Amino acid sequence: LAKTTQPISMDSYEGQEVNITCSHNNIATNDYITWYQQFPSQGPRFIIQGYKTKVTNEVASLFIPADRKSSTLSLPRVSLSDTAVYYCLVGDNTGGFKTIFGAGTRLFVKA
Amino acid sequence: EPEVTQTPSHQVTQMGQEVILRCVPISNHLYFYWYRQILGQKVEFLVSFYNNEISEKSEIFDDQFSVERPDGSNFTLKIRSTKLEDSAMYFCASSEGLAGDEQYFGPGTRLTVT
Repeated sequence: LAKTTQPISMDSYEGQEVNITCSHNNIATNDYITWYQQFPSQGPRFIIQGYKTKVTNEVASLFIPADRKSSTLSLPRVSLSDTAVYYCLVGDNTGGFKTIFGAGTRLFVKA
Repeated sequence: EPEVTQTPSHQVTQMGQEVILRCVPISNHLYFYWYRQILGQKVEFLVSFYNNEISEKSEIFDDQFSVERPDGSNFTLKIRSTKLEDSAMYFCASSEGLAGDEQYFGPGTRLTVT
């Protein structure tokens, strides 16, 4: 499984765009990149998943460069309620997937 | 929107006792998972389950742990003889199809071992 590296924490202000970058230098050909969000005392919640280029949904965008050795989660116009831990996961879609969460990035959104 | 449910929300037990944590995954999902999170630490994978058997397990998931799908709806995690260090939040998750699909997590069971 590819190891991921993310910043430990980030600060932002309400209304700003936040970009969280994840490094995954050893990503394999079959690996997808998935981001989860976790609020205190709650289970993680899926945000977005992608394989290459750009993926956008109603919550976030995911940018993946051609070499796929990193990815950037972009949260447009954050609010106080976006304060959470954000996890980048890398893995394939074959049977027996072992989901490994890293330490994640703690995002603090200030008023 | 369908959701994963877990019971109980909080379980207090004495060291050496057996506990069973229960989960009801989303009904059409095929893959099931257990994770734990010690307070202030990261989410740790315990086990994945598919087609009525364990698919993957971590080093944490030793002989003290077992999982079962006793009927068509429940998915349980049993800890045979709890230790103080088993105190954590335990999350159940399920996914629809291929492993690696979006996982839906339950609200968790807080296990406190005294």
